[in-house]
Amino acid sequence: DAMVIQNPRYQVTQFGKPVTLSCSQTLNHNVMYWYQQKSSQAPKLLFHYYDKDFNNEADTPDNFQSRRPNTSFCFLDIRSPGLGDAAMYLCATTGGRNTEAFFGQGTRLTVV
Amino acid sequence: GQSLEQPSEVTAVEGAIVQINCTYQTSGFYGLSWYQQHDGGAPTFLSYNALDGLEETGRFSSFLSRSDSYGYLLLQELQMKDSASYFCAISNTGNQFYFGTGTSLTVIP
Repeated sequence: DAMVIQNPRYQVTQFGKPVTLSCSQTLNHNVMYWYQQKSSQAPKLLFHYYDKDFNNEADTPDNFQSRRPNTSFCFLDIRSPGLGDAAMYLCATTGGRNTEAFFGQGTRLTVV
Repeated sequence: GQSLEQPSEVTAVEGAIVQINCTYQTSGFYGLSWYQQHDGGAPTFLSYNALDGLEETGRFSSFLSRSDSYGYLLLQELQMKDSASYFCAISNTGNQFYFGTGTSLTVIP
């Protein structure tokens, strides 16, 4: 059974129209991460939560926001998607810094 | 900041052994792990090192030298299905988890 579930798998949004990607985990892990991965590049960390403590990366654009209403769910909000935001968005979770990361299957975002 | 460097591409013959290196710079280093990613798929965990030395998990082994800020992934008895991208990743005391630049491995018959 999938332990980290991302919905939807594919999302098409219009330029400038807000979009929300969702992630849920059944592992009851403390830490959840959001990554952006463009073609042939490494996953780039956008931000992470340790429990409800939000940690933004310094180079993450303000256009990207996140919410974690409870341990199981985490959302990525893109307020005004641009063409450059088209990418695969990966959600991951760990039980702490010394454990493996479990990834969802990702959401591939297309901006038209 | 942090940086993790890997060779961009490696090609090896089926049945052979290949080593993928990773050099890193970070503050608050906690551990180095390795992930495999096939095209269109999610990264999957392969191995983890928090202490110096070699960790062996089946055909995959990983090595860490904290003093040299260096690690490698060793893949033995290569199979065609091992063709994928491989990423090293560092975790730090701030619970951040950063990926290396990635190595595209091609296994040829």
